[in-house]
Amino acid sequence: RKEVEQDPGPFNVPEGATVAFNCTYSNSASQSFFWYRQDCRKEPKLLMSVYSSGNEDGRFTAQLNRASQYISLLIRDSKLSDSATYLCVVNFDTGGFKTIFGAGTRLFVKA
Amino acid sequence: DVKVTQSSRYLVKRTGEKVFLECVQDMDHENMFWYRQDPGLGLRLIYFSYDVKMKEKGDIPEGYSVSREKKERFSLILESASTNQTSMYLCASGLRTQTGYTFGSGTRLTVV
Repeated sequence: RKEVEQDPGPFNVPEGATVAFNCTYSNSASQSFFWYRQDCRKEPKLLMSVYSSGNEDGRFTAQLNRASQYISLLIRDSKLSDSATYLCVVNFDTGGFKTIFGAGTRLFVKA
Repeated sequence: DVKVTQSSRYLVKRTGEKVFLECVQDMDHENMFWYRQDPGLGLRLIYFSYDVKMKEKGDIPEGYSVSREKKERFSLILESASTNQTSMYLCASGLRTQTGYTFGSGTRLTVV
């Protein structure tokens, strides 16, 4: 089983739709969590951190469920510009921090 | 904003050549990383460094080495390039692992 797993998609949604992605992780010692966005042929860019209490930034909401070992990203009122690949990132402590990137979920928002 | 600069956007090298990829960051970050990204495999860590002259192997260090002589610069070296090292190489830096990373724009390396 991979340490971090994401549905590769693609998710095809119309403008204005709400879409949610999940990311599961296998190591219960995981300490910190992030979502990154990567546009085609560009570098990943940090989108937001993920906390147990939830984290909201405009149309984006990130949530952590430690009991079930997954993180989620919710995008409301999707825009064409939201089309990208979304990577989840999990850090865990193995005596030194280890960072694992998910392979990403592709999102296409259509007019 | 943190800026991470990679020296080349595209490179084409021949099998057996020694290849240097340079990365410079301007925010005094202790931690720097080299990843490669391949379709379907995501980002894989090659090497990282948490201080000047310090380096640690990542998940796929074979065929690579690194150098960090100054805090702001982290170099990736392909000792003898092979076709299976054709990939997108991404450098990243961060203050602490828990705060997330900033990536450079990447170097697309093709080995022929």
